[in-house]
Amino acid sequence: QVQLQESGPGLVRPSETLSLTCTVSGGSISNYYWSWIRQPPGKGLEWIGYIYHRGNTNYNPSLKSRVTISVDTSKNQFSLKVTSMTAADTAIYYCARHVRGYCSGTSCYSHYFDYWGQGTLVTVSS
Amino acid sequence: QSVLTQPPSVSAAPGQKVTISCSGISSNVGNNYVSWYQQLPGTAPKLLIYENNKRPSGIPDRFSGSRSGTSATLGITGLQTGDEADYYCGTWDSSLSAGCVFGGGTKLTVL
Repeated sequence: QVQLQESGPGLVRPSETLSLTCTVSGGSISNYYWSWIRQPPGKGLEWIGYIYHRGNTNYNPSLKSRVTISVDTSKNQFSLKVTSMTAADTAIYYCARHVRGYCSGTSCYSHYFDYWGQGTLVTVSS
Repeated sequence: QSVLTQPPSVSAAPGQKVTISCSGISSNVGNNYVSWYQQLPGTAPKLLIYENNKRPSGIPDRFSGSRSGTSATLGITGLQTGDEADYYCGTWDSSLSAGCVFGGGTKLTVL
C-alpha cells in the first residue's frame, strides 16, 4: 500500500519561501507522476503542479512564477517550494500520486490522484 | 471561482439516491476524463471514481459516475450517514492555461 507523508513548517512569515517535502513509502517513486494540491481552510482544492521521477514538471499557470517542484529518487521524496508567501497561500498542502492515462503524443486525457498524504496546514502570518 | 461548477450542497434521506453534477466546457470536461473525490470531515480527499465511471478497488458499487458532453455526474445510491462529506470533481483542462482543475465541491448531507 502506497503511503505519502508531508513534512515542513506549519508557520511561514509573509514574503518568505515555503518548503515542503513528501516522503513516499510502500512503493517506488519511479515511473509515476507526483503532484502537490492545496486547500485553503473551508474552501476547495487547487492543483499546484506535478513532477515525473525523471524531473519533468508542469505547474498551475496561476502559480508558475512562484513554484518549484523537485524530486530525489534516492530518498523516494519530492518537494515543493513556493516563494513570496502571502496570507492567501494559507492552506492545507497535500501531496498525491498523479496518474496520467490515455496519452497521445504529449497530451494525456486522463488525470487523477489515487493516493494522497494526510495534508499539512501551512499558515502565513507574521 | 472554480473552473468546474458544482452545486454547493445536496441532501437526501438515508437509503435514498442522490446525484451531484459537475459542469465544464469543451477544453476540460468535454474532452478529458473526469474523476471524483470524497473528503470526509478533517481528512484528505479519497479517489471515488476515475476515467468518468471506473471505481478503484474497495469503492462500493453504490458510487457511480457518468459523463455527457460537458457535464459529469456522480451518483450515490443507498445513502448512509457515513457518506456525509464534501465531493469534488476534477479533470484536465487542455486550454492555453493547461492544468488539473477541480470543482468547488458539494457538501452532501444525509438527513
